[in-house]
Amino acid sequence: EAGVTQSPTHLNKPRGQQATLRCSPISGHTSVYWYQQALGLGLQFLLWYDEGEERNRGNFPPRFSGRQFPNYSSELNVNALELEDSALYLCASSSPGGRDTQYFGPGTRLTVL
Amino acid sequence: EDQVTQSPEALRLQEGESSSLNCSYTVSGLRGLFWYRQDPGKGPEFLFTLYSAGEEKEKERLKATLTKKESFLHITAPKPEDSATYLCAVLNNFNKFYFGSGTKLNVKP
Repeated sequence: EAGVTQSPTHLNKPRGQQATLRCSPISGHTSVYWYQQALGLGLQFLLWYDEGEERNRGNFPPRFSGRQFPNYSSELNVNALELEDSALYLCASSSPGGRDTQYFGPGTRLTVL
Repeated sequence: EDQVTQSPEALRLQEGESSSLNCSYTVSGLRGLFWYRQDPGKGPEFLFTLYSAGEEKEKERLKATLTKKESFLHITAPKPEDSATYLCAVLNNFNKFYFGSGTKLNVKP
């Protein structure tokens, strides 16, 4: 069974531009979570989507946004990139309603130049 | 407020030297406690889910236990390949996850 997949694996963008990161959950999972992990730091919760709806949001500015598609895949958009947005962005998926274990993808390494 | 605290922040062991990692939690209704292993630059790898106090789970050299206030990840006779950051997380009754900041384990040969 395929795990959580993320693309691209690496992304380099100039400051001020927009970045789009993508995530495909495990088959049968409807909940998708996004986390930011800056170098050497812990996981910071960004967004939670379930059944196409945004269920919860972490303490990040509005330029961090996303959506979930009818097939439950998700994308994270980061607008007006700042240098401190450079981090590993992790996606995780879980069973409907987010009531059980989260399984993580390999991450996208975003570097803002 | 719900929170998870892991200790120690870092742990250095000699190969074969057994030890335990601690995860203390305060949560409004525990639905599950999760342990993950994370290698540098990679996504966390799922290890265990524990649902109720008294539950124990084992996998190779790792054993996770759960009480009403904390969980332990016991590492028996560790090898250098066990070196990683170990993360603990809890899921509360409102379906919200809280992650600890992790314990960075270094096992020297």
